[in-house]
Amino acid sequence: NAGVTQTPKFRVLKTGQSMTLLCAQDMNHEYMYWYRQDPGMGLRLIHYSVGEGTTAKGEVPDGYNVSRLKKQNFLLGLESAAPSQTSVYFCASSPGTGSYHYGYTFGSGTRLTVV
Amino acid sequence: AQSVTQLGSHVSVSEGALVLLRCNYSSSVPPYLFWYVQYPNQGLQLLLKYTTGATLVKGINGFEAEFKKSETSFHLTKPSAHMSDAAEYFCAVKFQTGANNLFFGTGTRLTVIP
Repeated sequence: NAGVTQTPKFRVLKTGQSMTLLCAQDMNHEYMYWYRQDPGMGLRLIHYSVGEGTTAKGEVPDGYNVSRLKKQNFLLGLESAAPSQTSVYFCASSPGTGSYHYGYTFGSGTRLTVV
Repeated sequence: AQSVTQLGSHVSVSEGALVLLRCNYSSSVPPYLFWYVQYPNQGLQLLLKYTTGATLVKGINGFEAEFKKSETSFHLTKPSAHMSDAAEYFCAVKFQTGANNLFFGTGTRLTVIP
């Protein structure tokens, strides 16, 4: 039972380069999320998806794009990386909405450094 | 405005002492409340949650939290700290109106002194 898998785990980019972070979940969850974690700021939502083919902006979406072509995958793209995007990125998934919100299952994170 | 606040970015306790990590929220409607733990270089793991029902909830590793509506609080406690409890703890809130996602506090790093 893998849960939520993020690739890669580490990456160093030069300013202006592009990359895609991949998140895959095997729990048949409807909702998926991308957060970034920065010291003293907790986790901030970048983008999220409430189902295959849908995406929505979160709290800090600028400089990022996402796609959810398949239910199990949620991709986060950086078109032109900037040093301000140096962070740890977490993907999470959840069953969806309803009377109860079951909390998220998190991946182990991607540590990205932009130089 | 809806918000979640964790008081104290760093908390130190002696091994065997009480652990108390504070979380307050701001919302006119009681939200769903969560505590997560993050060990070094790992993702976040759910400790416990409150959605409805009993206001005292028990989680993994001996932690518990009590939802107090009058104080808009959801503080995390453990009677006796263990060295393995050293980690960062995040309070998270799902507000019942607005966006369908969790809002996280800024985190509290717990240090356990032997």
